[in-house]
Amino acid sequence: ETGVTQTPRHLVMGMTNKKSLKCEQHLGHNAMYWYKQSAKKPLELMFVYSLEERVENNSVPSRFSPECPNSSHLFLHLHTLQPEDSALYLCASSQDQTENTEAFFGQGTRLTVV
Amino acid sequence: GQNIDQPTEMTATEGAIVQINCTYQTSGFNGLFWYQQHAGEAPTFLSYNVLDGLEEKGRFSSFLSRSKGYSYLLLKELQMKDSASYLCAVLDSNYQLIWGAGTKLIIKP
Repeated sequence: ETGVTQTPRHLVMGMTNKKSLKCEQHLGHNAMYWYKQSAKKPLELMFVYSLEERVENNSVPSRFSPECPNSSHLFLHLHTLQPEDSALYLCASSQDQTENTEAFFGQGTRLTVV
Repeated sequence: GQNIDQPTEMTATEGAIVQINCTYQTSGFNGLFWYQQHAGEAPTFLSYNVLDGLEEKGRFSSFLSRSKGYSYLLLKELQMKDSASYLCAVLDSNYQLIWGAGTKLIIKP
């Protein structure tokens, strides 16, 4: 138990569906992150939120839309995805975005786009 | 460009010692992390190095040489539960984590 919870753990969706991934942290952290993890590839940072404001968007396609309603919750809204978007999506949090503190990860959502 | 290199896969024997290497080329350096990730699980923090030298934490140690852009994770007295992927990540000048692809460690009895 890392203190970061993601739901659902597994998701299968068609290319025309709309779904959302949820992340919740109970650590009092100020920064939250979305990562994409594909097999045998480095973790790809998608979005960074610090104090509920987006500070980083690493050229992620608009079919991925993040939302951070408060410092404890982070969502990733998905629509019209492609099969190549199938991956493990990891949420993480850290005390602050600009410090060298460790990140705590959720267990991820295994997404399959069919 | 920024780059982190680590071996894709390593095999070791229970009770033995294994060293997982990581080399990096990044724009700036604010520290290097090692994480462990069991299959289907969240990555979990193992160590952080920002100064040259060896940091020891139980059976695990991590070494850093900033001049060589090099780190290693040393695992002693290997146990079956150490079978996992080990991820190396560098915090660059913008405090962004740059990740390696991970090293899958297989422990055999």
